[in-house]
Amino acid sequence: DVQLLESGGGLVQPGGSLRLSCVASGFTFSDHPMSWVRQAPGKGLEWISSLRETDDAAFYADPVKGRFTIVRDISKNTLFLQMNSLRVEDTALYFCVRLTKLWFGDFWGQGVLVTVSS
Amino acid sequence: EVVLTQSPATLSLSPGERATLSCRSSQFISTLLGWFQQRPGQAPRLLIYDASNRATGVPARFTGSGSGTDFVLTISSLEPEDFGVYYCQQRYSWPRTFGQGTKLEI
Repeated sequence: DVQLLESGGGLVQPGGSLRLSCVASGFTFSDHPMSWVRQAPGKGLEWISSLRETDDAAFYADPVKGRFTIVRDISKNTLFLQMNSLRVEDTALYFCVRLTKLWFGDFWGQGVLVTVSS
Repeated sequence: EVVLTQSPATLSLSPGERATLSCRSSQFISTLLGWFQQRPGQAPRLLIYDASNRATGVPARFTGSGSGTDFVLTISSLEPEDFGVYYCQQRYSWPRTFGQGTKLEI
């Protein structure tokens, strides 16, 4: 079975950093594009970043561009999201998402909570 | 940026009824649109990809249609487990964007 297990969330002060991890299993990790999608408390879904599997090209939403970095370690079947210069508005549940070849999220992790507060 | 506008914001129906959810794009996106269902406390689930294709394991009562700028998700006969929030999402261009969601409630 496909599984995506996120970790690394927590409480951080504004301006701080966190690194989220997503360990993938049950499929060939290197064959799929991957994404991070977040959901602020009581709000809708917001795409924030994707990684193309063929060349590790990264794509970002404007609110996180220049502050967040998406990378993967194929040897560890792990996707990362390095988050720097965190802001209060980055507070959200962050989902790791496996994408199909057509770039739709067909498997989602349960999410990891990031809280940015002083 | 492609803006997706979903309507209605809330849809109140009963089991057995037909549900029609709309997603309108601010620009042409061909058929490159998907639909997701999110039940309370759960991660989203892919229902429809590329406007009209059901994802693996999705019941036949879910039907997607549309192209260009106007899209519809129809649930032919509501089951109790169908209640939740539905989102559309486009893959036509970067940044990827979601609609704001339609809450389907009893």
